[in-house]
Amino acid sequence: GAVVSQHPSWVICKSGTSVKIECRSLDFQATTMFWYRQFPKQSLMLMATSNEGSKATYEQGVEKDKFLINHASLTLSTLTVTSAHPEDSSFYICSAAVGGDTDTQYFGPGTRLTVL
Amino acid sequence: GQQLNQSPQSMFIQEGEDVSMNCTSSSIFNTWLWYKQDPGEGPVLLIALYKAGELTSNGRLTAQFGITRKDSFLNISASIPSDVGIYFCAGQFNAGNMLTFGGGTRLMVKP
Repeated sequence: GAVVSQHPSWVICKSGTSVKIECRSLDFQATTMFWYRQFPKQSLMLMATSNEGSKATYEQGVEKDKFLINHASLTLSTLTVTSAHPEDSSFYICSAAVGGDTDTQYFGPGTRLTVL
Repeated sequence: GQQLNQSPQSMFIQEGEDVSMNCTSSSIFNTWLWYKQDPGEGPVLLIALYKAGELTSNGRLTAQFGITRKDSFLNISASIPSDVGIYFCAGQFNAGNMLTFGGGTRLMVKP
């Protein structure tokens, strides 16, 4: 199957700092990538849809100025959590769509963010 | 965000038993997907279903796309300890659209 990587796998930062998370499709090009957030023992909640070459589409309740998304190429999307606070601590997971009629989404391994 | 109704929420079974879980939705989906997530990792695709009524197997796993396009089930036969994890169903209306996830089924297998 298609491989999606995320970096870093985990990060601890101080409150008020910004953190950038990278999502890469390693063996395919992804026009669309998705960013999810998952709290402990809960399901994945879509934050935003990242489209290469255009602005991301954010889900209701997700602050676009706090969660900056840049889809610079067909293999890379970045999520920057600006001025992070403890309530932003979560597991952030990206997915990338292979494309075509089936357009199956493959997930990255996730990034655990802990804000102190 | 919207979620699918997935049940059961958790299961604790004996090794060797069969497992069944399902998802239902009030909306129609044109694609149903089943993922497994291990602790601290991203979901891994198990089975993808693209056609109403489709029955697909992947080893000991079998999943079906409901004929109404509003439900799907996943069966695991002869469970083993490594089946432990959280299983998520996901529905997708059209290719390229977002996934809508179920709440997950936490499976625990007793050796």
